[in-house]
Amino acid sequence: EDQVTQSPEALRLQEGESSSLNCSYTVSGLRGLFWYRQDPGKGPEFLFTLYSAGEEKEKERLKATLTKKESFLHITAPKPEDSATYLCAVFSGATNKLIFGTGTLLAVQP
Amino acid sequence: DAGVIQSPRHEVTEMGQEVTLRCKPISGHNSLFWYRQTMMRGLELLIYFNNNVPIDDSGMPEDRFSAKMPNASFSTLKIQPSEPRDSAVYFCASTIQGRGRAEAFFGQGTRLTVV
Repeated sequence: EDQVTQSPEALRLQEGESSSLNCSYTVSGLRGLFWYRQDPGKGPEFLFTLYSAGEEKEKERLKATLTKKESFLHITAPKPEDSATYLCAVFSGATNKLIFGTGTLLAVQP
Repeated sequence: DAGVIQSPRHEVTEMGQEVTLRCKPISGHNSLFWYRQTMMRGLELLIYFNNNVPIDDSGMPEDRFSAKMPNASFSTLKIQPSEPRDSAVYFCASTIQGRGRAEAFFGQGTRLTVV
């Protein structure tokens, strides 16, 4: 069964304290892994697409990496404005479905 | 561009009542998606349309749910009769067909509470 699991469920960091969020997955025919940011009261906002193991993408303080079983979203020297829920999703080529994880709630304190 | 516009933002209704959620996609986008988000199950695709035609409604939980897209600029999701377990945030998203649903633009959602 296709599945996406994100950990931790919640993470509290001090400003400047780097860390990583994890997204582990099982999927039939991976056609892409996607990261999103979701602010309270808003819809998810697309951040990155990763297609193959070893691939990396960066945007400001965020870097996403991909292996055959999981993806990491590394946050370097976070700022309070990075506080949000970060969602991970995979697209299954076998079922033609996009499967989302339940997210990691990140709080960055000044 | 105003983005994907959903209405209402919040809806509180009594069990058994009909609920209609509305969505205006981004102009020029021809793929539209309806999602439901809960704490327990995360984001789940309910149905999506390409060029106003429903393509996959396998995520619609049961016959109480129906969706329409009468034209390229408007879609509705209707629940009749509503039940407390339908309480969730419902999102509409749109994109250009072929771009990939994963990169769709989401609206701000409708928070539905059924009491």
